[in-house]
Amino acid sequence: EVQLVESGGGVVRPGGSLRLSCAASGFTFDDYGMSWVRQAPGKGLEWVSGINWNGGSTGYVDSVKGRFTISRDNAKNSLYLQMNSLRAEDTALYYCAGQAVGRYYFGYWGQGTLVTVSS
Amino acid sequence: QSALTQPASVSGSPGQSITISCTGTSSDVGSHNLVSWYQQHPGEAPKLIIYEGSKRPSGVSNRFSGSKSGNTASLTISGLQAEDEADYYCCSYAGNSWVFGGGTKLTVL
Repeated sequence: EVQLVESGGGVVRPGGSLRLSCAASGFTFDDYGMSWVRQAPGKGLEWVSGINWNGGSTGYVDSVKGRFTISRDNAKNSLYLQMNSLRAEDTALYYCAGQAVGRYYFGYWGQGTLVTVSS
Repeated sequence: QSALTQPASVSGSPGQSITISCTGTSSDVGSHNLVSWYQQHPGEAPKLIIYEGSKRPSGVSNRFSGSKSGNTASLTISGLQAEDEADYYCCSYAGNSWVFGGGTKLTVL
């Protein structure tokens, strides 16, 4: 059974940092590119960042460039998102999602971890 | 990286068909056939229902179908059922990034 389990969310003050993790199981992790997709309370989905199968290529939405860093450890079947200089508008449920190499859709999703940025 | 445009809401009665549109630009929706659609019930993670414009993953009902014309992709749900009531999102690959639509709330009357 495919599982993506996010962790690391919590409440943080504006300007603070958090590191999200996503543990993958049930599929060959390094056959998949991975992304973080967020959903603010009551709002729609927003792609935040993605990384290719070996970590050699990454991408970010403009609003997080320079503040967030995506990485992966294939030996540990894990995906990470280092979030610095957090803002209130970063408050959201953060999902990790996987797309097979050569595919451009998210076939696997986790259940999300909630990040709240508030003073 | 502007969001794709979807209607905020659509509704239909059981057994009817509805179509949700998703309008992008020649840089995303119009440049390839890499649009996907996701269904999200309240409190749940999104679920892939259409990929590469018109293909259905295994296990997804054939009542769901996708198409594209120019810069606009569409999702059609035929034979509406109560369990189809959910939020629906389109998504397009945009060259080392992805862009989602704002989402459409489907109400089954």
